[in-house]
Amino acid sequence: RKEVEQDPGPFNVPEGATVAFNCTYSNSASQSFFWYRQDCRKEPKLLMSVYSSGNEDGRFTAQLNRASQYISLLIRDSKLSDSATYLCVVNGGGGAQKLVFGQGTRLTINP
Amino acid sequence: EAGVTQSPTHLIKTRGQQVTLRCSPISGHTSVYWYQQALGLGLQFLLWYDEGEERNRGNFPPRFSGRQFPNYSSELNVNALELEDSALYLCASSLWGQGIDEQFFGPGTRLTVL
Repeated sequence: RKEVEQDPGPFNVPEGATVAFNCTYSNSASQSFFWYRQDCRKEPKLLMSVYSSGNEDGRFTAQLNRASQYISLLIRDSKLSDSATYLCVVNGGGGAQKLVFGQGTRLTINP
Repeated sequence: EAGVTQSPTHLIKTRGQQVTLRCSPISGHTSVYWYQQALGLGLQFLLWYDEGEERNRGNFPPRFSGRQFPNYSSELNVNALELEDSALYLCASSLWGQGIDEQFFGPGTRLTVL
C-alpha cells in the first residue's frame, strides 16, 4: 500500500464547476498535511496547509480527518488557471521532516 | 523576497560521470531538502540538511550525497551516474528550526544521463 494515495484522475470539468479531491495516508504518526499544485515541468507550489479544524483560503477548502486518515481539497468556482496537477502531501512524522507525495491528480478546467 | 534558487537549470551527463547540483534557500531558512522527480515515479525524498548537518536520508544509494554550507546553501552530489538518475532534482527550504515546516521549492535542475 502506498503511503499517500490520491484519486487517480484525470479530472476534466467546465469552468465554474466545483471539484473535490480526496487523499488517504497510511502513517498514523503523520503530523503535517499539505496540498501542493504543480504545473507541467514546473516545481510544486504550496497551495495550503491542512489543519485538523479544516481551513479555507478563498475558493479553496481543505479538510483533515485524522481518525480516518483522510484529507480533502475542494475548489469552488473553478477557473481556467486552476488547471494543474494537485499533490496531496504528508510530512512523515516523528521529526523525520520527509514529505511523502501522492501521485497527483491532473485537473483540466475547460472553457 | 527571493525564493529558492537552483543551478544549473539543465545538465546533460554520460553514464559513470559525477555531477554537483546547487541550491540556495529562502533567506532566513536553515533547512534544505532534496527531492528527485523521475518520470512516472513522483517526487521521492532524498536528503534533509539543517544547520549544516544531515538530519534524514531517503532510500537512495550512498552515491547520492550532499552537504550544507555555513550560509545554509547546499549541494547535492551524485557519483557514478546511471541512466535511471535522469530526473528533475528539486530543492526545498523551510523554517523548521522555528517550528514552521512548510517547504518551498526551487525551480529544479533537470538532469539527463546518456
